[in-house]
Amino acid sequence: GAVVSQHPSRVICKSGTSVKIECRSLDFQATTMFWYRQFPKQSLMLMATSNEGSKATYEQGVEKDKFLINHASLTLSTLTVTSAHPEDSSFYICSARRDMSYEQYFGPGTRLTVT
Amino acid sequence: GQQLNQSPQSMFIQEGEDVSMNCTSSSIFNTWLWYKQDPGEGPVLLIALYKAGELTSNGRLTAQFGITRKDSFLNISASIPSDVGIYFCAGQPSGSARQLTFGSGTQLTVLP
Repeated sequence: GAVVSQHPSRVICKSGTSVKIECRSLDFQATTMFWYRQFPKQSLMLMATSNEGSKATYEQGVEKDKFLINHASLTLSTLTVTSAHPEDSSFYICSARRDMSYEQYFGPGTRLTVT
Repeated sequence: GQQLNQSPQSMFIQEGEDVSMNCTSSSIFNTWLWYKQDPGEGPVLLIALYKAGELTSNGRLTAQFGITRKDSFLNISASIPSDVGIYFCAGQPSGSARQLTFGSGTQLTVLP
């Protein structure tokens, strides 16, 4: 199989606080993981590409100091939303790409609500 | 970023009917993937296509990699209520760093 877990599934935080979201590939190694954001009734928007052991590559318009990504092992990437604001409220989804493949397997997503 | 042209945007069909949706691009793609997303969940990979002209089935689902490498279609035969969801095509453009470009999605509703 190719299972990707994401934690937490839902989080509510107050404005100004930071939130960490974990993405794990459970049964395969993933040198590369991806973080997406999805607004209601829209497609997935790539935020950044996370590479194990190196700095993440951010898409244009995504603030790297606000969305901190760490990919410390071949099975774990984390996304930290720093100083969260209500406009950061969204559905965040990670995916992991099996090494030597183009296929991406997605986590179940994290619903972030900033009050 | 770049988006694929996916159509139709939404479909309402009767249970038992067949469904077809497609994606087109102005540039060549090396890989086409089809995903299904249920509400509040992450997308699930349905079919992966790697060669131009390739036709692949997964149960009642069939997808093809267009011969021009600029399009792909997904067919669902004999639809059932659990087919409801959003279907996304995704492609890996030639020359890209293995990132995927996603279509805008097709919302499928199956009526009993």
